[in-house]
Formats: sequence, C-alpha cells, structure tokens
Amino acid sequence: EDQVTQSPEALRLQEGESSSLNCSYTVSGLRGLFWYRQDPGKGPEFLFTLYSAGEEKEKERLKATLTKKESFLHITAPKPEDSATYLCAVQAGSSASKIIFGSGTRLSIRP
Amino acid sequence: SQTIHQWPATLVQPVGSPLSLECTVEGTSNPNLYWYRQAAGRGLQLLFYSVGIGQISSEVPQNLSASRPQDRQFILSSKKLLLSDSGFYLCAWSVPDTSGSLHFGNGTRLTVT
Repeated sequence: EDQVTQSPEALRLQEGESSSLNCSYTVSGLRGLFWYRQDPGKGPEFLFTLYSAGEEKEKERLKATLTKKESFLHITAPKPEDSATYLCAVQAGSSASKIIFGSGTRLSIRP
Repeated sequence: SQTIHQWPATLVQPVGSPLSLECTVEGTSNPNLYWYRQAAGRGLQLLFYSVGIGQISSEVPQNLSASRPQDRQFILSSKKLLLSDSGFYLCAWSVPDTSGSLHFGNGTRLTVT
C-alpha cells in the first residue's frame, strides 16, 4: 500500500535557525513527489515537484531534495512569514491519477 | 488562466441532514478532479477522484458520495451526515496524464452538530 510519513509533526525555530523537514514514502513506481505550503483556513499552495532521485529544487529560503526513499525540505535562515504547515504528497505509477498526502509538519518561526 | 471555485466557505449542519458541496473549475478542459478532507491539525485524506464525466474512484468507504455531471463540475454529497463528517473539505484539479501538481480551492469548513 502506498504510504507517506512526515516528521516531525511540529517544529519551532528561532528566526534565522535553519532546519529540515522529512518526508518518507513507500510507493510502487514514483511518478512525482510534491511539496505544498498551507496557511490556516486555506487550501494548500504548491511549492515543488520532484521526479527522480538526486533532483533538487529551490525557491527563496526553501530547497527540496529527493532520494529513493525520502525527501527533505530544507529551510535556510527562516523568517516568521515562513510559519505554516508543510505537506508532502506522492503520485504513484500504479494509479497515476491518485495523489496521497502525508500528515504535514507545522512549522513555527519565532522572531 | 485557470481558477477553481468551491462553496460554501463554511457550513453548519445537524446530524442526519443531507449535504451538497460544489466545486467548479474554469479555464481548462477535462481536468482530473479531487475531493480531500482534512481533520483539525492533520493531513489531507483523499476521498474521491475523477478522470472524466461520470467516472468516480472512491478511496474511503463511508456515507459520502461524489458525482461529476459536467466536465468541470464536481459535487460531494451525503444523504445523512454524521458527527465524524465534520472537517475541512478541499476540492482540487490537475492536468490529466501528467505528473502535474494539484491546484486547490479555498475549502469548505463543515461542522456537524
């Protein structure tokens, strides 16, 4: 069964303190791994898609990386406005239209 | 450009009442459509997805159902709501036959009392 696990559930950082969020997955034939940001009371906002092991993508203070078993979202020198829930999702080759999500990491950045 | 509309934004319904949530997409043809539910402080649970008119895949057996009467319209329904149906319901679309990302609506906050 396809599965996505995110850790930690919650992370509190000081402004400027870099860290990483983890997303481990078990799928039959990964077609794509996605990272989203979700603010309270809103729909998730797309950040990145990664397709194959070794791939990396960056956007401002965020960098996503992918291995054969997991993905990391690295946050460098975060600011309070980076506070949000970060969600990881996978699309498996076995059912290309089906996209499943992990439970998310709630990130809080203190000024 | 493509847009997705989801309504209502909030809804309070008594146990045993029916439910109908509607989602429409503009600016794209034959999208894949999705319904997700999110419990407080949790991730997104896939409920239904559709690759075309009348084609619905159900992921979680429950008292909810989905229909796609038109290409860009996706409806989530229930004949009798349960307390456990409370949550944040999100509709999303993606480009078919690709490894494309999902584009979400603003969600409906449903409280069953």
